Order: sequence, then structure tokens, then C-alpha cells
Amino acid sequence: SAVISQKPSRDICQRGTSLTIQCQVDSQVTMMFWYRQQPGQSLTLIATANQGSEATYESGFVIDKFPISRPNLTFSTLTVSNMSPEDSSIYLCSVGRDRDTEAFFGQGTRLTVV
Amino acid sequence: GQSLEQPSEVTAVEGAIVQINCTYQTSGFYGLSWYQQHDGGAPTFLSYNALDGLEETGRFSSFLSRSDSYGYLLLQELQMKDSASYFCAVNFDKDSNYQLIWGAGTKLIIKP
Repeated sequence: SAVISQKPSRDICQRGTSLTIQCQVDSQVTMMFWYRQQPGQSLTLIATANQGSEATYESGFVIDKFPISRPNLTFSTLTVSNMSPEDSSIYLCSVGRDRDTEAFFGQGTRLTVV
Repeated sequence: GQSLEQPSEVTAVEGAIVQINCTYQTSGFYGLSWYQQHDGGAPTFLSYNALDGLEETGRFSSFLSRSDSYGYLLLQELQMKDSASYFCAVNFDKDSNYQLIWGAGTKLIIKP
């Protein structure tokens, strides 16, 4: 199993500013994922972050807007840059060990941009 | 492209049995997972099928037919605490790694 501490749990931010979300795992994991989820909607993958390599972004998400750091096997950050109200959402980090095992999630960051 | 379909909402009564279906179209399919998410909470893992057949975990069972690109989650002896959204997700290979692609979720409403 894996226990993930995600911070902050929620924030209200002014448009044009940036917020960095932290994700700390209690054990080493190879793959970390960052998702966005609108309330009542499905999860949309933003990027995959592997230690020692550049994050891989999904279509519609770019590094300038969502820079990701992955300095070691237990920690990652996602920054939401130059925020607009459209960025208001729940952001989730997730880890997995391999394709045959479950994914674990942080408790999410509820972001509101005003 | 990759896609999954599941019903948007299912209603059942406490103590009953409910089945949530999921059909998928993906390349590099490896397995089908099910997750539960309560309002305001994070998704939590319920079950995973890589091979055809039924997997049973307590009150929850999951089934997969790879030839039909179809699976379902079966919830028995429903309890009020089972009211939540249920997501099917496909584990698939991508660029020597893997990813999950998620269905839209099924909101399960349980009535007393």
C-alpha cells in the first residue's frame, strides 16, 4: 500500500497567481500521476511524473501552465500557473507500482480561483 | 481512441443487488479496475481484473470479458454507505509505462 499526503487540501487564489501542490508518499514509487477532476465528473490525467525524467503531459496540458517537479521517488509537486477561474477544480496526485496493482490517491486539493 | 462507457446513475434499495456495467475501447489493454469515490473524497480501489472471469472481494465482485470488451461491478447486500460514485478504469500500456483511463463514473443512489 501507499499513504499519500497532499497539501494544501484547499485554497482560494486570485487570478493571475500560481499555486504549488505538494504530494508526499510514505514509500518509494516509480510512477506518479496528476489528475484534475471537476465535481461530479471523471478524472482527467494532466501528466505522468517519473523520477529522473521530464514529466509527460497529456493533450491539452502544457508544461508552462502546469510545471511538475519530481526530485525523488517519494515526492512531487504540481504548479498551476497564471491561474484563471477555469482552473478551479480538484487536483489529485496518484501513485502506482505497476500495471497490475491498485492506484493510490492523495485526498485532493480543491482549488477555487476568483 | 480510448473510451469507456458506464451508466451515469443507478438507483437501488438497501439490501438489494446492483450491477454497474462498463464497456471499453482501448489499445494496449492490460486490465479493468473499479474505484469508489464518496463526495468530497478521493477514489479508493475496489477490484481489478486482468483475466476473464469473476473476482470476488466480500460484498463486491467484478467481472471481465476481454473478448467482449466488457466488465461489470456487482454490489451485494447494499448498505447506505455504498452510496457513492463508481468508476471503471482501464489499465493500458503507454510508452513502456502504463496509465489509467477513466470512465465518466456511475452515481449509485441507495434508498432505504
